[in-house]
Amino acid sequence: SQQGEEDPQALSIQEGENATMNCSYKTSINNLQWYRQNSGRGLVHLILIRSNEREKHSGRLRVTLDTSKKSSSLLITASRAADTASYFCAVGAGGTSYGKLTFGQGTILTVHP
Amino acid sequence: GAGVSQSPSNKVTEKGKDVELRCDPISGHTALYWYRQRLGQGLEFLIYFQGNSAPDKSGLPSDRFSAERTGESVSTLTIQRTQQEDSAVYLCASSGSRLTNYGYTFGSGTRLTVV
Repeated sequence: SQQGEEDPQALSIQEGENATMNCSYKTSINNLQWYRQNSGRGLVHLILIRSNEREKHSGRLRVTLDTSKKSSSLLITASRAADTASYFCAVGAGGTSYGKLTFGQGTILTVHP
Repeated sequence: GAGVSQSPSNKVTEKGKDVELRCDPISGHTALYWYRQRLGQGLEFLIYFQGNSAPDKSGLPSDRFSAERTGESVSTLTIQRTQQEDSAVYLCASSGSRLTNYGYTFGSGTRLTVV
């Protein structure tokens, strides 16, 4: 399976601390994306990193991709209570499956005020 | 509209009944996806439409599930003879034909409860 697998399953931190979530996958990818989900409903796209990129930043978010280890990490710096949510990585296939995303089980992040 | 719209937002149905879930993608988005999310779980791919190409139905769990899309507009996901294990949130997403930095845009989902 190409499914992303997140680690840890749950993370609890204090406001102001950094949060790091990891994602591993099994086959070659075209891109990897991170999404946030509040209250079990719609997902919000956070950041996309392509297979030929190694690091990307967006505001307080930093994503790295190591295709040799088939892994990615999402770092949220200076966390806020509003960052409390579930975070999912999703791997984008290439070739004939281009466009199809396969999601992991997610990391539940709780940021305590 | 500005976002992906799904209806109904909640649906309670009796076991054995058929249900239809609707998704209105963002105008101009050629790709449309259906996912299922059970409570506390990740997203499970169901089906993917891309323009006029044959849909990728590889994620449909059984022949009770089907989906249609007319052109690049509305899609309906139909579940026949619903079972209790079909209870989940069904999420629809759309995207443009070319990969951008914006990923997919998801709707708020339909929460289906089979009693």
